[in-house]
Amino acid sequence: AQSVSQHNHHVILSEAASLELGCNYSYGGTVNLFWYVQYPGQHLQLLLKYFSGDPLVKGIKGFEAEFIKSKFSFNLRKPSVQWSDTAEYFCAVNARNFNKFYFGSGTKLNVKP
Amino acid sequence: DAGVTQSPTHLIKTRGQQVTLRCSPKSGHDTVSWYQQALGQGPQFIFQYYEEEERQRGNFPDRFSGHQFPNYSSELNVNALLLGDSALYLCASSYTGALDWDTIYFGEGSWLTVV
Repeated sequence: AQSVSQHNHHVILSEAASLELGCNYSYGGTVNLFWYVQYPGQHLQLLLKYFSGDPLVKGIKGFEAEFIKSKFSFNLRKPSVQWSDTAEYFCAVNARNFNKFYFGSGTKLNVKP
Repeated sequence: DAGVTQSPTHLIKTRGQQVTLRCSPKSGHDTVSWYQQALGQGPQFIFQYYEEEERQRGNFPDRFSGHQFPNYSSELNVNALLLGDSALYLCASSYTGALDWDTIYFGEGSWLTVV
C-alpha cells in the first residue's frame, strides 16, 4: 500500500534560517508529488507539485522541492524563512492517472520573528 | 471565482446519529473527493465522485456514503456515528478536462465532533 512519511513533526526556526522538510513515499509505480500548506485558520493550499521533467520544482513564496527517485523522496526547501511561513506543511502523492491522494501526517513549522 | 465551499463549518452530533456534510466544488470542476483529517494527522481519502458515481474509495466502512448531484455538488453521509468519527472532513475538487486534472483544491472543511 502507498504511504507517505514526514519525519519532522514540529520544526521551530528563526527568521532568515534555511528550511528543509523531509518527505519519503512508498509506491512502486509512477507518482505525482505535491506539497500543500495550511496557514492558521485557512484551508489547504497547493504549494508546489511535480509531475515529470526537471526534478527540481519551484513553487510559490520561494519554496522549492527536489524529487529524488532513487530515494523515494520529495523534500521541501526554502533558503530563508519568514514569520509568515508559519503553517503546517503536508507532503502528498497520487498514483499517476488515479486522482487519489495519500498525505503525510504533516509538519508544523513555527518561525520566530 | 468561487473556491470550494463546505457546510456546515462546525457541528456536534451524538453517538449513533447520522450526519450529512455538503460541498460545492470550485467553479468549473466536475470531480469531488472527500477526505477525513483526524487531529494531528494528514487527510485520509474517503471516496471520489465523478459523473454522479463513486469512482474510487478508500478504506472506510460502508457507514460512509456519498452522493454527487448533476450540478457537481456533493454530500457525505455518515451513519451510526462513533466517537472516532470526530474529525475535520475536507472536500476537494478538480476538473478532469484540465491540464492539471490531478491537482485537487480543498475547501475549509467541516469540523465534526461526536459526543
